[in-house]
Amino acid sequence: GEDVEQSLFLSVREGDSSVINCTYTDSSSTYLYWYKQEPGAGLQLLTYIFSNMDMKQDQRLTVLLNKKDKHLSLRIADTQTGDSAIYFCAGSYSGGYQKVTFGTGTKLQVIP
Amino acid sequence: EAGVAQSPRYKIIEKRQSVAFWCNPISGHATLYWYQQILGQGPKLLIQFQNNGVVDDSQLPKDRFSAERLKGVDSTLKIQPAKLEDSAVYLCASSLDWKGRRLRDGPSFGPGTRLTVL
Repeated sequence: GEDVEQSLFLSVREGDSSVINCTYTDSSSTYLYWYKQEPGAGLQLLTYIFSNMDMKQDQRLTVLLNKKDKHLSLRIADTQTGDSAIYFCAGSYSGGYQKVTFGTGTKLQVIP
Repeated sequence: EAGVAQSPRYKIIEKRQSVAFWCNPISGHATLYWYQQILGQGPKLLIQFQNNGVVDDSQLPKDRFSAERLKGVDSTLKIQPAKLEDSAVYLCASSLDWKGRRLRDGPSFGPGTRLTVL
């Protein structure tokens, strides 16, 4: 099965860029997702990237995918205090059904 | 569109008691997931339904956990008897049929049920 790993914690100053990294093991992943979880809430899908893409930009968010190294990153430009949350990467693969496996999560702390 | 609904939001029980959680997915979503999220960890898939059939329950502790999805819509997850290590947030999620349609959207999650076992 898929293993997805992330660093546990990241601290940045308001206005700086944040980069959250993720590595995964299953090269057959079709979609890779980034979710955000605020305290006491469920997971909210932020963005996705299809496995045949290298980069995707969506307003302040940029996703980079390095398939060779099985490395995914999420860059948040002009980080705001409202971006403080836990960020999860997840991989989706279809072996007869779509299975979505989540990473351990990275807690982003934004310092005013 | 209404989101995934879950109830209750919070539950406190003593070990060896039973508990049940309810989930109502987004209308029209064929796939329903139950995840367990222990504090400080990522969500772990317990069971996945496609319509009312189980497609993956490989990580479900079947000696104490059970789940059903009657008529391919609502679902209930039950724990009987509960252990201390079952304390976690139980997340329900749903998505459209897996066959290439809207996979880019990923599962949509409910707010979760926080279970505390004393």
